[in-house]
Amino acid sequence: SQKIEQNSEALNIQEGKTATLTCNYTNYSPAYLQWYRQDPGRGPVFLLLIRENEKEKRKERLKVTFDTTLKQSLFHITASQPADSATYLCVLGGGSSNTGKLIFGQGTTLQVKP
Amino acid sequence: DGGITQSPKYLFRKEGQNVTLSCEQNLNHDAMYWYRQDPGQGLRLIYYSQIVNDFQKGDIAEGYSVSREKKESFPLTVTSAQKNPTAFYLCASSLGGANVLTFGAGSRLTVL
Repeated sequence: SQKIEQNSEALNIQEGKTATLTCNYTNYSPAYLQWYRQDPGRGPVFLLLIRENEKEKRKERLKVTFDTTLKQSLFHITASQPADSATYLCVLGGGSSNTGKLIFGQGTTLQVKP
Repeated sequence: DGGITQSPKYLFRKEGQNVTLSCEQNLNHDAMYWYRQDPGQGLRLIYYSQIVNDFQKGDIAEGYSVSREKKESFPLTVTSAQKNPTAFYLCASSLGGANVLTFGAGSRLTVL
């Protein structure tokens, strides 16, 4: 079955450093991959979408890579700030083996310390 | 401002009761979704609707029901048949065939 894994352990980093979150998947060839941010007790908020033919995408301090050979996406936040502390969700979609539904990872919690 | 409104934010239910969670959107989105979120797990799809008066079961539809009588509204009923209903419920919408989701703030249901 299709499986998506994010680091279940929280990531703790110092303010100003680059945070790197990992998303790995198996038994699936998605057409695109999305990242969402979720704050405690709130709904997720869309951040970035990257397609299978794109290697990298940037938005302000955010950068996402998508390696379809390794079946992995990396999500980077540069010059991290305490306000970046949240849970980040990796989401897969599209692809020939998918019914059109999105597949959500369990999320990685990022804590940025001042 | 456009968005999705879920209510209530917190809901308590006694065993054997049905409860209905409200979801309203003013984004003019065609598709609407209900997800369930449990600690340590990814969001799981309960029901979705791509057009008014039509909806499909997701991966965990048992014990839930929905209706889509208006484009703006997609209420979810958690019935007494749902054996483990305590969870955080999220409503979302998307425009046409796009799969970028806009989420509501969520409703937390607790069974007493």
